[in-house]
Amino acid sequence: EVQLVESGGGLVQPGGSLRLSCAASGFTFSSYWMHYVRQAPGKGLVWVSRINVDGSSTNYADSVKGRFTISRDNAKNALYLQMNSLTAEDTAVYYCAREVTRDGYNSARFFDYWGQGTPVTVSS
Amino acid sequence: DIQMTQSPSSLSASVGDRVTITCRASQNISNFLNWYQQKPGKAPKLLIYAASSLQTGVPSRFNGSGSGTDFTLTISSLQPEDFATYCCQQSYTTPRTFGQGTKLEIK
Repeated sequence: EVQLVESGGGLVQPGGSLRLSCAASGFTFSSYWMHYVRQAPGKGLVWVSRINVDGSSTNYADSVKGRFTISRDNAKNALYLQMNSLTAEDTAVYYCAREVTRDGYNSARFFDYWGQGTPVTVSS
Repeated sequence: DIQMTQSPSSLSASVGDRVTITCRASQNISNFLNWYQQKPGKAPKLLIYAASSLQTGVPSRFNGSGSGTDFTLTISSLQPEDFATYCCQQSYTTPRTFGQGTKLEIK
């Protein structure tokens, strides 16, 4: 069974740091691009970051670029999001998600499995 | 960035009704459009990928259509468990932008 289990969220003061973790099981973790998506209270889903299969390529939303770092440890089947210089605007539930990519005639890319989410609250 | 605009933002309907939600992309995204269902306090669940392909295990009352910039999600006969928020997402390019969501409520 595919599982993504998140941890590391919590309450942090403005300017502080947190490191989120996403533990993967039930599939070949090293074969999938992985993403983080966040959702502020009462708001919609916002894409945050992605990382390729071996960690050599990463992308970030403009709102977190230079502050957040996504990484992975394929030997440990783990995904990480290091978040620095946090502000109140970063308060949200953070989800990790697995992206499936299908090439060819019926090409597609979609998030088929999501973690349960970990809440991050930035407040003094 | 590609902007995704959903309509309506909220919708009231009854069990058994047929409902349609629309998603418009700010530029051509071919068929790289996915639909997710989200219930309060839960992670999103994939319903439709590549605009019209039904994810395994999703009931056939869910149907997706469209290509280019205009897409629709139709639920043919609402069931009690379908009352939730629905969100589209483009996967044509990065960032993978989402629509703002459509909250489907019981009338």
